[in-house]
Amino acid sequence: QKEVEQNSGPLSVPEGAIASLNCTYSDRGSQSFFWYRQYSGKSPELIMSIYSNGDKEDGRFTAQLNKASQYVSLLIRDSQPSDSATYLCAVKAQSGGYQKVTFGIGTKLQVIP
Amino acid sequence: EAQVTQNPRYLITVTGKKLTVTCSQNMNHEYMSWYRQDPGLGLRQIYYSMNVEVTDKGDVPEGYKVSRKEKRNFPLILESPSPNQTSLYFCASSGTMGYSPLHFGNGTRLTVT
Repeated sequence: QKEVEQNSGPLSVPEGAIASLNCTYSDRGSQSFFWYRQYSGKSPELIMSIYSNGDKEDGRFTAQLNKASQYVSLLIRDSQPSDSATYLCAVKAQSGGYQKVTFGIGTKLQVIP
Repeated sequence: EAQVTQNPRYLITVTGKKLTVTCSQNMNHEYMSWYRQDPGLGLRQIYYSMNVEVTDKGDVPEGYKVSRKEKRNFPLILESPSPNQTSLYFCASSGTMGYSPLHFGNGTRLTVT
């Protein structure tokens, strides 16, 4: 059973639209949640982090967290062709000096000009 | 500049020939980790280290070794590489606070023939 679930896509949206990316996780002890963007063959780069229930906005990006539903999402407003990439959801759990970061498989986003 | 440096970027080798992929970070991070990324499987953790001389297995440790003799370095060793270890490898580091995200190296694309 996968611990972090994402739809692999591809998710296709027209330029200027809102892209909605979703992620669910199984470990209720998870404390921190991250979204990374990864272009093909490149390393993941952090775009958003969220730790508390609710919304967190940064420019065109909004992360949403619902711990009761074990659900994290990323909204990208005014999507641009340069946003075309794979988006990885990462979930961190910590306990007694130990930490584990688990990644979802990633959702491939295609923004159509 | 804060960074995680991996070398080499590309490596082609033959079955059974021992190799080492180096990883170094300049952010004084306690936590370091190795991942491999394969199509359709996402990022899978190989080994991680919570601090100097403290290492532990991740989800796919078979065929790999690591060491953490210094805080900044975390080399990945393949004693006898096999073709199923052909993959894209990433080293990452972070602080141990819950909000600390992973910082990734540029990746090493390994081909074992």
